Amino acid sequence: QVQLQESGPGLVKPSETLSLTCTVSGGSISSDYWSWIRQPPGRGLEWIGYISYSGSTNYNPSLKNRVTISINTSKDQFSLKVTSLTAADTAVYYCARGVFSMDVWGKGTTVTVSS
Amino acid sequence: QSVLTQPPSVSGAPGQRVTISCTGSSSNIGAGYDVNWYQQLPGTAPKLLIRANNNRPSGVPDRFSDSRSGTSASLAITGLQAEDEADYYCQSYDRSLAAYVFGTGTEVTVL
Repeated sequence: QVQLQESGPGLVKPSETLSLTCTVSGGSISSDYWSWIRQPPGRGLEWIGYISYSGSTNYNPSLKNRVTISINTSKDQFSLKVTSLTAADTAVYYCARGVFSMDVWGKGTTVTVSS
Repeated sequence: QSVLTQPPSVSGAPGQRVTISCTGSSSNIGAGYDVNWYQQLPGTAPKLLIRANNNRPSGVPDRFSDSRSGTSASLAITGLQAEDEADYYCQSYDRSLAAYVFGTGTEVTVL
């Protein structure tokens, strides 16, 4: 069955850009929608945005100016970039399949923003 | 702050029935947007528990059920078991925010 795996740096400095990649295995990325969600320590879930297999995107307005999601169908990967990082961006970042109901999730990757 | 409000915690004895409310507004649940529910076991990623209209993914027991009325939705767990200890989140779409939103989350404790 489809599995997702996030990868990227665990520690980034304030004001820098975070880049994460989600690798899809056991299925094709070219037939669905794909989302990023994050969870700050001890807090709830926040939807970041999604991308379709054709590359159309939609972002949470609260993050819209700092977020970019892209897709590479040849590698079965989609990626997240978040610019101008602050401590408030410290969170576990998850990738997931789907937009409205997210039925497959990665295990998550912890990102700490600190100098 | 989320636009979907859940009680911070609920608890029950094994075998009992507990319910978790998800209170929204006319911009989300009240506007007719679907509500999904997720279960997050300690230290793990969320798992889709129920899609809109009581649609359970394969493997989810029928002890879990959902309902909705007006601007609110609810998740019911019947025959509570120790393995149900987790955080539960509702999720919908908010047209005012133009964003998919999660509830504040509810921690379920089995006494």
